Amino acid sequence: NAGVTQTPKFRVLKTGQSMTLLCAQDMNHEYMYWYRQDPGMGLRLIHYSVGEGTTAKGEVPDGYNVSRLKKQNFLLGLESAAPSQTSVYFCASSGVTGEHFGDGTRLSIL
Amino acid sequence: DQQVKQNSPSLSVQEGRISILNCDYTNSMFDYFLWYKKYPAEGPTFLISISSIKDKNEDGRFTVFLNKSAKHLSLHIVPSQPGDSAVYFCAALSSGSARQLTFGSGTQLTVLP
Repeated sequence: NAGVTQTPKFRVLKTGQSMTLLCAQDMNHEYMYWYRQDPGMGLRLIHYSVGEGTTAKGEVPDGYNVSRLKKQNFLLGLESAAPSQTSVYFCASSGVTGEHFGDGTRLSIL
Repeated sequence: DQQVKQNSPSLSVQEGRISILNCDYTNSMFDYFLWYKKYPAEGPTFLISISSIKDKNEDGRFTVFLNKSAKHLSLHIVPSQPGDSAVYFCAALSSGSARQLTFGSGTQLTVLP
């Protein structure tokens, strides 16, 4: 019973590099979300999806892109990483049992 | 401009005593409030919630109180246990928002044995 799984757990990038964070859920949830957590600021919504093939911007979408090609997966992409994107990234899915979060991806941009 | 505020970054309580964590909000459109608990290196886990039509919700040792006129909610933990030591996040959402959560900055609770 995996719930929400995030890959990778840690990553260090150089400024300008690109990468994709993967989120997978096995609860057949329609809604999925990407948040970032920074010190003293709680979690802030980057992008979200209300179903397969749909995406929408959250509070802090600049510098990120997302895709939801399959219902169970929600990908977060950084095309050109910047030091300001150093953060802990959390994926979540939402269903009748509420929100379920992954354990986070710690991303450092040098 | 933070719409959900947790003004106490940290709180220390003796085991067995009551822990009270506070949260304030500014957006009148919020109509559902949640508390999450987060341990290091793990994602937040849901703890308890309350609808704006209620002023209290209780689940075991955890009780959430909502004061709509003051735009204030609080989480009471009685009795506090060492295993309750974690970061607690208050979150809010409004109807029809695709369940987009707005989080406070969190309060680190430490329960001393």
